[in-house]
Amino acid sequence: DVKVTQSSRYLVKRTGEKVFLECVQDMDHENMFWYRQDPGLGLRLIYFSYDVKMKEKGDIPEGYSVSREKKERFSLILESASTNQTSMYLCASSPGTGLRDEQFFGPGTRLTVL
Amino acid sequence: TQLLEQSPQFLSIQEGENLTVYCNSSSVFSSLQWYRQEPGEGPVLLVTVVTGGEVKKLKRLTFQFGDARKDSSLHITAAQPGDTGLYLCAGNRAGSYQLTFGKGTKLSVIP
Repeated sequence: DVKVTQSSRYLVKRTGEKVFLECVQDMDHENMFWYRQDPGLGLRLIYFSYDVKMKEKGDIPEGYSVSREKKERFSLILESASTNQTSMYLCASSPGTGLRDEQFFGPGTRLTVL
Repeated sequence: TQLLEQSPQFLSIQEGENLTVYCNSSSVFSSLQWYRQEPGEGPVLLVTVVTGGEVKKLKRLTFQFGDARKDSSLHITAAQPGDTGLYLCAGNRAGSYQLTFGKGTKLSVIP
């Protein structure tokens, strides 16, 4: 079974703090993704990576950066957290096979910025 | 632009009833996935459909991909409280690693 783990289930930070969310997958997947999920807005893609050290912006990259130094690990960084970044953050990975590139999700991190 | 429309948004039914959830688009997808998400958890993949007209069954759940690969449906027979959750459809567009997600159908099955 594919396993995607996220470093924290719940996180509370203060406005202006630097926040690191980490994601690790154990299936040697090529692609990794970061989403945020908000009521009424669904899942929105922040960034994704299709290879080590490669990254591409998703639909809402503003206020976020990412790092992929190793194939199995994809980090999301909030340089200066703001209250509008309070959300559920979901990491996913996929094999990168194209036609039916199924994504497998981690359990999520519920981030609250005060 | 919302490329995948799911309906209904909310559904509350009694245990034992049948229901159908729809996922519609004007775009063609190379494959379409259905996920179920429970509160406070990440989405869990239920099924992937690839061929137009394809029907897949997973116990009491039946998934269908439209002939033109633009739409899909999920039918649940004799719903149980354990079916409660948010059902998400997501489509792969040809040549893209990204998934386009619908906003989901929140299902509540009342005992």
